[in-house]
Amino acid sequence: DAGVIQSPRHEVTEMGQEVTLRCKPISGHDYLFWYRQTMMRGLELLIYFNNNVPIDDSGMPEDRFSAKMPNASFSTLKIQPSEPRDSAVYFCASSKPGEAGANVLTFGAGSRLTVL
Amino acid sequence: SQKIEQNSEALNIQEGKTATLTCNYTNYSPAYLQWYRQDPGRGPVFLLLIRENEKEKRKERLKVTFDTTLKQSLFHITASQPADSATYLCAFSNYGGSQGNLIFGKGTKLSVKP
Repeated sequence: DAGVIQSPRHEVTEMGQEVTLRCKPISGHDYLFWYRQTMMRGLELLIYFNNNVPIDDSGMPEDRFSAKMPNASFSTLKIQPSEPRDSAVYFCASSKPGEAGANVLTFGAGSRLTVL
Repeated sequence: SQKIEQNSEALNIQEGKTATLTCNYTNYSPAYLQWYRQDPGRGPVFLLLIRENEKEKRKERLKVTFDTTLKQSLFHITASQPADSATYLCAFSNYGGSQGNLIFGKGTKLSVKP
C-alpha cells in the first residue's frame, strides 16, 4: 500500500481564496482524521470520520472550514475564505482499530498551506 | 480542561546515553497512550502503544512507562544514536474502544550529538 496520500504538498494562496486539501486513506482503514500543526499550538485535531460519517468536528475552528468524505477512499478539507492565520501544515491520518480497540494512526506527509 | 504537556521543547544528549522524555496529563483519564516520532517535513510515525493497565512496554531500544497515579508517561531511548534525532510526540485517548480521537502533546525535539 502507498500509505496515506495527501495533495497538494504545498499550497501558497492569497487571503480570501478558497483552498481544498485532499486525502486518500489506506485501503481498509475505516477511520480518517484531519489534523493541523503549527509551532504555537502543536498538532490539533480538526475532525474525524468513521465509515465516511463525521463523528467529531468540534475542533473545526469556524464555519470557514468544512470537510467531506464522499466515499471510503477520498476526503477533502476546504477553507473558504482563507486567512493568513490558517497557515499551517495539515495532516490527514487513517486507522483501523487494532490492539484493544486502539486507534494507531498512519499519517500522510502533510499539506503545507501558506496564506498571504 | 484536558491538558497534555511534554516536559521540554528540546533535549540534547550525547551519543550512547539514554534519552528520557516525559509526558504529563491533567483532567484526563486515558485508556491508553501512544508515542510517535516526527522527522522534519514528514508526518508523525507510530512507535509504541501502552494501555492503562500496563506499567511498561519495550521495543528494541525503546521503553515506555505509564503511571496513572502520577499521570505521567516516560519514554526512554537507550544507547541513543544520531539517527534518533527527531521530535517525539505523546498522544492520549480517553476511550478504550475504537472510538475517540488522539490528543497530542506539542512534542520534544531530541538531538543526539556524536
